[in-house]
Amino acid sequence: GENVEQHPSTLSVQEGDSAVIKCTYSDSASNYFPWYKQELGKRPQLIIDIRSNVGEKKDQRIAVTLNKTAKHFSLHITETQPEDSAVYFCAALRAAGNMLTFGGGTRLMVKP
Amino acid sequence: DAGVTQSPTHLIKTRGQQVTLRCSPKSGHDTVSWYQQALGQGPQFIFQYYEEEERQRGNFPDRFSGHQFPNYSSELNVNALLLGDSALYLCASSLVWRYTGELFFGEGSRLTVL
Repeated sequence: GENVEQHPSTLSVQEGDSAVIKCTYSDSASNYFPWYKQELGKRPQLIIDIRSNVGEKKDQRIAVTLNKTAKHFSLHITETQPEDSAVYFCAALRAAGNMLTFGGGTRLMVKP
Repeated sequence: DAGVTQSPTHLIKTRGQQVTLRCSPKSGHDTVSWYQQALGQGPQFIFQYYEEEERQRGNFPDRFSGHQFPNYSSELNVNALLLGDSALYLCASSLVWRYTGELFFGEGSRLTVL
């Protein structure tokens, strides 16, 4: 089955700096890679996603890159703000089934 | 447009008991997936229901069972509860025929087993 590894497990940055979170996946059949943000006690919320036919996608301060050959994808947050503090999860999904495999999460702390 | 709703939000059980959690999918969605999220970990896939049948199952024992009703709502049942079953149980809905992969999560049911 699919295995997704996520690094780092914790990340502390100063407000205004950039943050990068990296994930690797094992199943070359995976073709959809979402990123979720989860605040304490809340549900995971989709913040950005990318499909295997695209190498990069950007939405305001958030961007995701995908390297299919190396089987890794990354989340980039620029100009971080204290409200970006949360746990971020990457995930991978195979073409059939809608079954997401999640990474272990990254706790991002943005210091004012 | 109502999103994914789950009940109850919190519950406490003792070892050996049974629990039933409920989920109503987002309007227009026909597929429900259940995930278990232990403290400090990422969600883990339990199973998925579509057309009232279990379509996929993760690495969970038979103590975990489910059901989907004709209105697409779903239940997750856990028998013979263990301390390790304490977790946030998340329901997610989607449209299977689109295969977009996008899941909409409910707020979850936090289960504590004492």
